[in-house]
Amino acid sequence: DIKMTQSPSSMYASLGERVIITCRARQDINNYSSWFQQKPGKSPKTLIYRANILVDGVPSRFCGSGSGQDYSLTISSLEFEDMGIYYCLQYDEFPFTFGSGTKLEIK
Amino acid sequence: QVQLQQSGSELMKPGASVKISCKTTGYTFSSYWIEWVKQRPGHGLEWIGEILPGSGSTNYNEKFKGKATFTADTSSNTAYMQLSSLTSEDSAVYYCARLEEMGYFDVWGAGTTVTVSS
Repeated sequence: DIKMTQSPSSMYASLGERVIITCRARQDINNYSSWFQQKPGKSPKTLIYRANILVDGVPSRFCGSGSGQDYSLTISSLEFEDMGIYYCLQYDEFPFTFGSGTKLEIK
Repeated sequence: QVQLQQSGSELMKPGASVKISCKTTGYTFSSYWIEWVKQRPGHGLEWIGEILPGSGSTNYNEKFKGKATFTADTSSNTAYMQLSSLTSEDSAVYYCARLEEMGYFDVWGAGTTVTVSS
């Protein structure tokens, strides 16, 4: 299985701050990475797919980047509603595997 | 509007089986993979596998082979996941999601909570 090492596991950030969350795959996943946001008691919401494609309706302050083994999610200017847990996913190979999550809280 | 409506919470005894449903509306059910994902507190998200309703083709995470079985009923546009020989390790929220043709999980169900307790 392709392990996805996600960091940090948790973080505090201020409103307006730039936030970066990273995932490193154990091998090249050919840009088949996706990012999700999950709020308490809710289903995950897909933000980014194919490493850098923003899902329709997702605010443009969210941005995905990366290639090979290394991928990142950037929030350019943190807003209050961005609190939650963020997960990466690789879907290059079966079984699809998720990162362990990043809990993002407002400072 | 694409929607995935999941069945309600289940309280099950150890050793029993449970069948969770994911009723879909708003698109051609047979043409899109349905993904199944497990979430336990403190354990993040785990991909269980997927089914393509039109053909019945499936892909399972090896970890869940023998535990999960996917089926789909194209007459009611509903996907099912049966979990067998339940233990406390199966207590979790289970989500279904549609795999959009560009290859991402575009719509998720609300989740079904399965609690296994004697």
